Amino acid sequence: QKEVEQNSGPLSVPEGAIASLNCTYSDRGSQSFFWYRQYSGKSPELIMSIYSNGDKEDGRFTAQLNKASQYVSLLIRDSQPSDSATYLCAAPGTAGNKLTFGGGTRVLVKP
Amino acid sequence: DVKVTQSSRYLVKRTGEKVFLECVQDMDHENMFWYRQDPGLGLRLIYFSYDVKMKEKGDIPEGYSVSREKKERFSLILESASTNQTSMYLCASSPGGGGPSNSPLHFGNGTRLTVT
Repeated sequence: QKEVEQNSGPLSVPEGAIASLNCTYSDRGSQSFFWYRQYSGKSPELIMSIYSNGDKEDGRFTAQLNKASQYVSLLIRDSQPSDSATYLCAAPGTAGNKLTFGGGTRVLVKP
Repeated sequence: DVKVTQSSRYLVKRTGEKVFLECVQDMDHENMFWYRQDPGLGLRLIYFSYDVKMKEKGDIPEGYSVSREKKERFSLILESASTNQTSMYLCASSPGGGGPSNSPLHFGNGTRLTVT
């Protein structure tokens, strides 16, 4: 089992809809979780950090963390074509000394 | 804003050459990282450092070495470049509080290395 898992997609959503991305992790002791956006040919860009159970909202983005079920999700409201990118989830690996990235979910927002 | 600068955006080297990839950050971050990213394989950690002159192996250190003589600079060295090291190389840094696994990474723009 991979330490951090994401559905590779592509997740196709119409413009204006909500895109829902999920990420599961294996280390129960993980405390910090991050979502990155990566446009094709560019480097990952941090968009959300979440450390506590529940929801955290930042503009059109909402991160949701459920430690009991070991998943973290990202919602993108009012999706725009500019949101088309690969979204990477990151969490501490089982070794505890570094972040581990999921394989990423590719999102396509269609006008 | 944190700035992580990688010395080259594109690099072409020949098999067997010694290759240096340089990375500099300007935010006094303790932790620095080198990843490579390949289609279908995602981001893979090569080496990281949590202090000057300290280094830790990541998931795929074979064929690579690193140097961190100053806090702001972290160099990745390919001792003898091979074609399977053709990849996108990403440098990142993070603040020290909470350790390397609990702080968000800030990435540089990447170096696309081609070994022929």
